Amino acid sequence: AQSVTQLGSHVSVSEGALVLLRCNYSSSVPPYLFWYVQYPNQGLQLLLKYTTGATLVKGINGFEAEFKKSETSFHLTKPSAHMSDAAEYFCAVSDNFGNEKLTFGTGTRLTIIP
Amino acid sequence: KAGVTQTPRYLIKTRGQQVTLSCSPISGHRSVSWYQQTPGQGLQFLFEYFSETQRNKGNFPGRFSGRQFSNSRSEMNVSTLELGDSALYLCASSQNPPGTGGFEQFFGPGTRLTVL
Repeated sequence: AQSVTQLGSHVSVSEGALVLLRCNYSSSVPPYLFWYVQYPNQGLQLLLKYTTGATLVKGINGFEAEFKKSETSFHLTKPSAHMSDAAEYFCAVSDNFGNEKLTFGTGTRLTIIP
Repeated sequence: KAGVTQTPRYLIKTRGQQVTLSCSPISGHRSVSWYQQTPGQGLQFLFEYFSETQRNKGNFPGRFSGRQFSNSRSEMNVSTLELGDSALYLCASSQNPPGTGGFEQFFGPGTRLTVL
């Protein structure tokens, strides 16, 4: 079985500061890892994903994440927060057997302080 | 390309009724998945369809069912509604051919179901 743990249900950062959202996963097989963002009253939008290859993954809106197998982590970072980054962020895992099922973490609500 | 569309966007039902939600995937996508999002349980996988066949199913009671049509449009049905079924129901589509994985799932805006 797969699972995802997101540390911190709420994170607040000042505009221009570093954003760090934590995600740890558990999987018995090599995982595919995803970060999604959800704005109020909207669906989820993919920020970035890791499948194979380079462990540092760059996504949209200046976000990136690094897959660390030894730490079973896939933390999301952005060097400089912008007001428009305020949203809820979800880390998700799927297996690599062609299974579409995503197992999501509980989400982290990011607040940007002006 | 048009995105994933879901209808209706909002729905209010009473306990014991049944409801049908509709999802139209992105053109060319043959995989459609459904998720339930609630404040208490978060995002939970309901089921996935590919070429009219259910390929995977989450841990939900039999009151939750779905189907997919030959044009890849999908519907999900919830019978005998309970208060706890109040949630945002999200549909996602992807290209994901059999035997592959890691494709991006594109989510619709969801249908917000309120059960009174």
